[in-house]
Amino acid sequence: QTVVTQEPSLTVSPGGTVTLTCASSTGAVTTGYYPDWFQQKPGQAPRALIYTTSNKYSWTPARFSGSLLGGKAALTLSGVQPEDEADYYCLLYFGGTKGVFGGGTRLTVL
Amino acid sequence: EVQLVESGGGLVQPGGSLRLSCVASGFIFSNYGMNWVRQAPGKGLEWVSYISTSGTTKYYADSVKGRFTISRDNAKNSLYLQMNSLRDEDTAVYYCAPPGGGQGIAVTVSS
Repeated sequence: QTVVTQEPSLTVSPGGTVTLTCASSTGAVTTGYYPDWFQQKPGQAPRALIYTTSNKYSWTPARFSGSLLGGKAALTLSGVQPEDEADYYCLLYFGGTKGVFGGGTRLTVL
Repeated sequence: EVQLVESGGGLVQPGGSLRLSCVASGFIFSNYGMNWVRQAPGKGLEWVSYISTSGTTKYYADSVKGRFTISRDNAKNSLYLQMNSLRDEDTAVYYCAPPGGGQGIAVTVSS
């Protein structure tokens, strides 16, 4: 059974930088897993932020960036704003065909 | 402005069918592969299905394969999910993404 693991929670100060990671139980995450990242604020629908590792949508704020880091997919927020407080989910595609979400990281801006 | 209009949910008995629709605007719909994802109450996100930009490639979660069918109409900026043989465990709010951020579609399967 494939498992995607994220940090359960992280805290960052306003204006700071934080990196969220996404690991696969099968080994190193590569571009072949087509990592996607979603943001979900309390009581709201999830919103897509990043697709296929590092590509941004037109609505993705510039302070969000995606990458691969140390065998994991990573989402970095630079210059964190209070409105970035949310749950963040990564989505990996195993064998390029089966999507599996991680359990999510709750980001607190404090 | 990116907008979504999602529709088609409701209460259905086990074994029943529903067709979900998602109409997008404010971005070039045909440029993106699209997903349906769902979220049961108090739970995390679950990936349901993916369709490529042209609609020729489709993937499904094992839990829905053979029961759900994803499709799209790029001329109408629309994404669909035909759900057959519904089960209690399909109860969730369904979202199309990208972009997400819509109101979601509530599906309740119960007798």
